[in-house]
This record gives sequence, structure tokens and C-alpha cells, in this order.
Amino acid sequence: LAKTTQPISMDSYEGQEVNITCSHNNIATNDYITWYQQFPSQGPRFIIQGYKTKVTNEVASLFIPADRKSSTLSLPRVSLSDTAVYYCLVVGTGGFKTIFGAGTRLFVKA
Amino acid sequence: NAGVTQTPKFQVLKTGQSMTLQCAQDMNHNSMYWYRQDPGMGLRLIYYSASEGTTDKGEVPNGYNVSRLNKREFSLRLESAAPSQTSVYFCATLPGVTNNEQFFGPGTRLTVL
Repeated sequence: LAKTTQPISMDSYEGQEVNITCSHNNIATNDYITWYQQFPSQGPRFIIQGYKTKVTNEVASLFIPADRKSSTLSLPRVSLSDTAVYYCLVVGTGGFKTIFGAGTRLFVKA
Repeated sequence: NAGVTQTPKFQVLKTGQSMTLQCAQDMNHNSMYWYRQDPGMGLRLIYYSASEGTTDKGEVPNGYNVSRLNKREFSLRLESAAPSQTSVYFCATLPGVTNNEQFFGPGTRLTVL
């Protein structure tokens, strides 16, 4: 399983775009990149996953460069309710054994 | 549909006591997981079950046992609880081989005195 590295914390203001980068140098050919969001006292919630290039859904975008050694989660126009911990995971085929890192604590200020 | 349910929500044990945490899902997902999360830390995988009838160790399996009773249920047992096992325990499910989205339960907050 590829080890992931993320910033420990980030601050932002409401209305700004936030980009959280994750490095995963040892990603394997068949691995996918997934991101989760966790609020206090709740289980993580899936946000987005991707394999290469760019993926966009209703809440976020995920940018993956050609070498796939890193990925960037982009949250457009954050609000106070986006204050949470964000985890980047590299998932092997079938996704059976999953390792969460320490995550990035995002704090959105008014 | 209830999704992923966990019982109990809270539990206080004394050192050396045993207990079983229950997890059930009604989403017909193949894979199930047990994680623990210590205060201010990320999740650590204890055990997982890729499919009914199989279980495998995760990062921190020592002091725990699991049973995949059927496709719906995956239990976690602490045979002799220790203060170091004080944590929040999350159960999660995964639909299948081609879908990497895990669905989490609400968690069980366990305190071992």
C-alpha cells in the first residue's frame, strides 16, 4: 500500500477555494486515489475518487498529474461547514486493505 | 434503509473485562471493516473482511478478534480490555471490487478504566 503524506492543517476564509495536496510516491499502477471528509464525532464520508487527470463532482474536484505521485483535492468557495478533517487514501484493486493517514485539518474562518 | 449500524454507542469497561462490538449493514455490501480512532488522530484499520467467510488483519489487530457472522454482520471482540484500547471504533462497508467508496457507521465510544 502506498504511504500518503498531507499537510497537518490548513486555514482558509469563507468563499475561498481550498486546495489540499497529497503525495503518494509509491502508488501502484492499479491503485485509485480517494478522499474522505470527517466531522467531529462522525465517521468519515466519501468525497471523491480518481485514477488520473481530473475528476469533478458536485462538491469537489480531484486533480491527478500524469505521474500520479500526488493528487490535489479542490474545494470551491468553502463555507464554515467545510471545517473538517480531510483524508487522502490510496486504494489497491478491490480496495480491501485501506490505510488512513493523519489527514489534513481544514479550518474555515468567517 | 438504516445503512451501517453499530451497537452499543457508548461503553465503559474495567481493565480485563471482555465485550463484543456489533456492526450490521443492510446495503448488501461485500466487504466490512473495523477501525479505531484515538483522540486527535486518524483512523487505524484493525481487521477487515473482504467477503463473507474471510477475515484479515489490518494495522493494529493485537488484542482484538473478529467474526464475519454472515454477509450483514461483522463483530469485534475485546477479550481482555486494556486502557490503551480506549478509543472510538468505527465499522465500515465497501460495496465490491470495482467501488472504492466506504460507508461508515456512527461509531462506538469505548472507555477502559
